[in-house]
Amino acid sequence: DARVTQTPRHKVTEMGQEVTMRCQPILGHNTVFWYRQTMMQGLELLAYFRNRAPLDDSGMPKDRFSAEMPDATLATLKIQPSEPRDSAVYFCASGLISDEAFFGQGTRLTVV
Amino acid sequence: GENVEQHPSTLSVQEGDSAVIKCTYSDSASNYFPWYKQELGKGPQLIIDIRSNVGEKKDQRIAVTLNKTAKHFSLHITETQPEDSAVYFCAASTNDYKLSFGAGTTVTVRA
Repeated sequence: DARVTQTPRHKVTEMGQEVTMRCQPILGHNTVFWYRQTMMQGLELLAYFRNRAPLDDSGMPKDRFSAEMPDATLATLKIQPSEPRDSAVYFCASGLISDEAFFGQGTRLTVV
Repeated sequence: GENVEQHPSTLSVQEGDSAVIKCTYSDSASNYFPWYKQELGKGPQLIIDIRSNVGEKKDQRIAVTLNKTAKHFSLHITETQPEDSAVYFCAASTNDYKLSFGAGTTVTVRA
């Protein structure tokens, strides 16, 4: 069945290292979201793409986070350099209508 | 921006009983209200949603009601089963992409 696929599922890295998370949206979906989930802040929107164009990345720390969609089947979220406070679960979601979001399984990131 | 409050934070029900989760929102322009179920180690799963042009929507044992005047909406789960145990999130958005999520309700169904 159609689903959003995220890799890796888990990532442990040392502070200062670069982290890249990947997402394959559901085929045919034209919107992609990146969310971060923490116990303290809940679900926060980091970035939003429509038809591969970034429309909003106001939720991301610009100095260290970047999000791209090289093509319609791949979205990436990169953190460079990573910090312990970036430890969280990062979710990618995709949709066909602008506000509908179908989530992937997430990447659990731990920065030590 | 939109502020969504969700209550209760935890809910324990006996199998077969009903569960009700309530959310309030602040932005009167919000017109899309989805509910998500998140099981341990998984991503949030969209279970039902409602748009502002209807007051109620039902899908088997799940129903959502919306009161735009009072700016609140609720999730009703009837005949609860152990597999309904999860964290449930409400959300709201206006005519754009920004979903504002509630803090979540941990539902435990006791066998």
